[in-house]
Amino acid sequence: EAGVTQFPSHSVIEKGQTVTLRCDPISGHDNLYWYRRVMGKEIKFLLHFVKESKQDESGMPNNRFLAERTGGTYSTLKVQPAELEDSGVYFCASRSLEQVPYNEQFFGPGTRLTVL
Amino acid sequence: AQSVTQLGSHVSVSEGALVLLRCNYSSSVPPYLFWYVQYPNQGLQLLLKYTTGATLVKGINGFEAEFKKSETSFHLTKPSAHMSDAAEYFCAVTPNQAGTALIFGKGTTLSVSS
Repeated sequence: EAGVTQFPSHSVIEKGQTVTLRCDPISGHDNLYWYRRVMGKEIKFLLHFVKESKQDESGMPNNRFLAERTGGTYSTLKVQPAELEDSGVYFCASRSLEQVPYNEQFFGPGTRLTVL
Repeated sequence: AQSVTQLGSHVSVSEGALVLLRCNYSSSVPPYLFWYVQYPNQGLQLLLKYTTGATLVKGINGFEAEFKKSETSFHLTKPSAHMSDAAEYFCAVTPNQAGTALIFGKGTTLSVSS
């Protein structure tokens, strides 16, 4: 079974540009999460989808970030316009509803975003 | 609010020595607790988890952790370190509700020398 995949693995952009990160969850996983790790800090939650609906987006830093999950399969996270402080590693995780109550999330390798 | 503190951003041990990575948490509700490991250029992999039941939890690769409610701790141990254990380790907590987000500590990088 394929794991969670993320694309691209690295992205280097200039301040003010737009970047779109993609996450493909494990097939059949209804829950999809985005997290971010800024250098030297802890991994922080951004938002949570259940199928195509946003269940919790309390961690989204501001309105420059837009996440979508059309059709309840893969998800994209767009940053527009990017700022220097957006640099970091963006992780995606997925989880099957059938895993209740263990709440195990499976993580992708992350996308390293560098904003110059 | 929940939080996780990992004591020591870097831990160095010799091959064959005991590995001890510390994790303390705060939670107003009974928590679920996790240890994840990240090897270079890979995603986070679940090492072990505590949900309910036995407080000593065994995971993959010989790691184990003990949930101590009175100390609000969930320290990770391994009796004998291998070179392949060199990685970054993350402790995480979530309320015992399905689907909620994980709250992570800052991570501990483990180095193993021969």
